[in-house]
Amino acid sequence: AQSVTQLDSQVPVFEEAPVELRCNYSSSVSVYLFWYVQYPNQGLQLLLKYLSGSTLVKGINGFEAEFNKSQTSFHLRKPSVHISDTAEYFCAVSDKKGGSNYKLTFGKGTLLTVNP
Amino acid sequence: EPEVTQTPSHQVTQMGQEVILRCVPISNHLYFYWYRQILGQKVEFLVSFYNNEISEKSEIFDDQFSVERPDGSNFTLKIRSTKLEDSAMYFCASSEVGYSGYTFGSGTRLTVV
Repeated sequence: AQSVTQLDSQVPVFEEAPVELRCNYSSSVSVYLFWYVQYPNQGLQLLLKYLSGSTLVKGINGFEAEFNKSQTSFHLRKPSVHISDTAEYFCAVSDKKGGSNYKLTFGKGTLLTVNP
Repeated sequence: EPEVTQTPSHQVTQMGQEVILRCVPISNHLYFYWYRQILGQKVEFLVSFYNNEISEKSEIFDDQFSVERPDGSNFTLKIRSTKLEDSAMYFCASSEVGYSGYTFGSGTRLTVV
């Protein structure tokens, strides 16, 4: 079984400050890793994903994340946030077993609030 | 960019009534999923569907739930007799062969009163 831990339920920051949203996962097999963003009253939008290869992945809106296998982490970062980045951010994992199912296991989410 | 379309965006139903939530996945995708998010909680897996059959379902997906791909384009989630605790946002998602992640729809907010 897999699990995802997002240690911070809320992260308030000031505009133009850097931010890091933490994600740790637990799995007995190799995994794919994802970050999704959910703006108020909207659906889930994929920010970025790690499938294989380079451990530093870049996504939309200036976000990036680094896969650290030894620490089983996939932290999300942005060097300078905007008011419009205010949203809920979800880390998710699925295993690489393939076949007919790629079930996602989500973390509880981190609410990023960017203040002026 | 291709989208997963869900209808309706909001549905209010009385307890005990049947509801059908509809989804149109991306046309060349072959894997389909339903997830739900109860207000303030995390997104939970309900069911995955491939090759016209359920490939995995969660404990939440009991006999009150069913899924169907009736016409090759729509993918539906039916709740036979809704309960108050079924109130949630329901997300449909699809992915292609050679998996590279999902595309989620914008969700259907179901309110059971």
